[in-house]
Amino acid sequence: GAGVSQSPSNKVTEKGKDVELRCDPISGHTALYWYRQSLGQGLEFLIYFQGNSAPDKSGLPSDRFSAERTGGSVSTLTIQRTQQEDSAVYLCASSFATTPNYGYTFGSGTRLTVV
Amino acid sequence: ILNVEQSPQSLHVQEGDSTNFTCSFPSSNFYALHWYRWETAKSPEALFVMTLNGDEKKKGRISATLNTKEGYSYLYIKGSQPEDSATYLCAFIKNSGNTPLVFGKGTRLSVIA
Repeated sequence: GAGVSQSPSNKVTEKGKDVELRCDPISGHTALYWYRQSLGQGLEFLIYFQGNSAPDKSGLPSDRFSAERTGGSVSTLTIQRTQQEDSAVYLCASSFATTPNYGYTFGSGTRLTVV
Repeated sequence: ILNVEQSPQSLHVQEGDSTNFTCSFPSSNFYALHWYRWETAKSPEALFVMTLNGDEKKKGRISATLNTKEGYSYLYIKGSQPEDSATYLCAFIKNSGNTPLVFGKGTRLSVIA
């Protein structure tokens, strides 16, 4: 597609349920990033993938969070046993590489609300 | 832990006013600085990628400068328009660049017609 696509755009879930958020990056972009923005906070890094290298998971806030990227393309962020503090806008971005000369292209995000 | 600080947190200006905001970042191990504009209900959009000390970049009425030795960047908007209303984010990369961007909390700009 022409841009980074995320689904769903909105998700309301009950506390304790698992959720899956999907990101479809721009074709040919080797790097894929997940960030989130909680209310009143800045963009918080979660995880990134670069080609076939092992992902950098250093930003994942707990072991309830995991992500995978299949075939170097689509990525899924999974949150198990959701908590209210997981409520946030989850943004996915992709770029040609992790070198800094390329700006990120962001998706429109998934707004997750845990009730 | 990297700290990217942006000020002010929010700003209201009249249409036609010029304005500027600040981004400060660690000056050691600098590699690149990015500026993004994030309009409500849209995706963050890349404005500038800056890598050299003294860099100055311009896109229409918006420009940015970079001082890597003292660790700050300024974003300027000349003759603000209502469509400039958005959150402006800066983000920093250190070392070799093989790390993700670290974002500031942004400056929320409201331009009043």
